[in-house]
Amino acid sequence: DADVTQTPRNRITKTGKRIMLECSQTKGHDRMYWYRQDPGLGLRLIYYSFDVKDINKGEISDGYSVSRQAQAKFSLSLESAIPNQTALYFCATSDTDSYNEQFFGPGTRLTVL
Amino acid sequence: GQSLEQPSEVTAVEGAIVQINCTYQTSGFYGLSWYQQHDGGAPTFLSYNALDGLEETGRFSSFLSRSDSYGYLLLQELQMKDSASYFCAPRDGQNFVFGPGTRLSVLP
Repeated sequence: DADVTQTPRNRITKTGKRIMLECSQTKGHDRMYWYRQDPGLGLRLIYYSFDVKDINKGEISDGYSVSRQAQAKFSLSLESAIPNQTALYFCATSDTDSYNEQFFGPGTRLTVL
Repeated sequence: GQSLEQPSEVTAVEGAIVQINCTYQTSGFYGLSWYQQHDGGAPTFLSYNALDGLEETGRFSSFLSRSDSYGYLLLQELQMKDSASYFCAPRDGQNFVFGPGTRLSVLP
């Protein structure tokens, strides 16, 4: 079984719709992250959480919100999706003691029409 | 401010050696990571350099020079499966800043 899972894997939605992307992990890691990947721009950090009660904005948090429901679950929401949020979204985890290595989920490809 | 530079594309033949360079500028710096990403896949961790010098892991090596704000990933005995994108990611505080990536194509 995969250690970091993301649902859905693909989603097509319309402008203005609310979307939630979910991430679950079985690695027992405290730290979780949401990244966005666009061609030619690498990965950009949206939000991160170092434990259940900790939520921090990343480089590009505008238009997004997150919820850390449990140690193992970290969800990303787009309250009102817009076309320039079309991208590949990755969830990642890392251990508090060895956080230099991040483990990524398989990604969610989101298209906003 | 922050800036990261990597070559956008590199091409090499099977069995060859290739070096992917990374220059960075971040407000804080603690070390440099490298990740590999195959088309359609997730990034996977390759290495992390906290100190100057060369770290070797099998066919892959990573080098860091903190004074030059420079690092590189060295891939030896290239194989077709090494065709992928490679990202350098300096650690700035508790998080990492990912570069734009270098697409490596390995030709037979």
